[in-house]
Amino acid sequence: LAKTTQPISMDSYEGQEVNITCSHNNIATNDYITWYQQFPSQGPRFIIQGYKTKVKNEVASLFIPADRKSSTLSLPRVSLSDTAVYYCLVGGYSGNTPLVFGKGTRLSVIA
Amino acid sequence: EAGVAQSPRYKIIEKRQSVAFWCNPISGHATLYWYQQILGQGPKLLIQFQNNGVVDDSQLPKDRFSAERLKGVDSTLKIQPAKLEDSAVYLCASSLSTGRNYGYTFGSGTRLTVV
Repeated sequence: LAKTTQPISMDSYEGQEVNITCSHNNIATNDYITWYQQFPSQGPRFIIQGYKTKVKNEVASLFIPADRKSSTLSLPRVSLSDTAVYYCLVGGYSGNTPLVFGKGTRLSVIA
Repeated sequence: EAGVAQSPRYKIIEKRQSVAFWCNPISGHATLYWYQQILGQGPKLLIQFQNNGVVDDSQLPKDRFSAERLKGVDSTLKIQPAKLEDSAVYLCASSLSTGRNYGYTFGSGTRLTVV
């Protein structure tokens, strides 16, 4: 599985856009990029998944450059409730392939 | 749709005691995982079940940890005897056998404190 590198922590004020970048230099051709969010005292929750270019849903956007060696999770206009740990995962996942987590990025949103 | 249920939510035991955690996955999810999450780290896979069979238990400390999934539905994870370093949150997740990993659903976990 491709190794991922992401910042340990980030701070942001409410209402700002937050971009969290993940490096995955050894990504394989059939690997997908997935981001999970984890609030305190809860299990991780799927946010968004992509293969290339841009993906957007009601929660976030995911930007993937052509070489796919990195990806950026973009959270628009964050609120205090977006304070969480965000994990970048890379793999050719199917429904029965276990997720492999790194340490994630701890996002703190400040009022 | 009901989520993944886990119990208990919290457990405090003394070292060398035994403890068991229970997980009820989403109905119809054939694959079930147990993860261990130590404070400040990402979840680490302990064991994966496909229906009632073990697919991967390479990271399960088998001298003290055991898990079973009878009838391919509920699962229990047991630690006997517990050590101080077992203090962690134990997460259960389930998924369909097909489809991409956005089909994974995690429970809220059991927070174990070994004193």
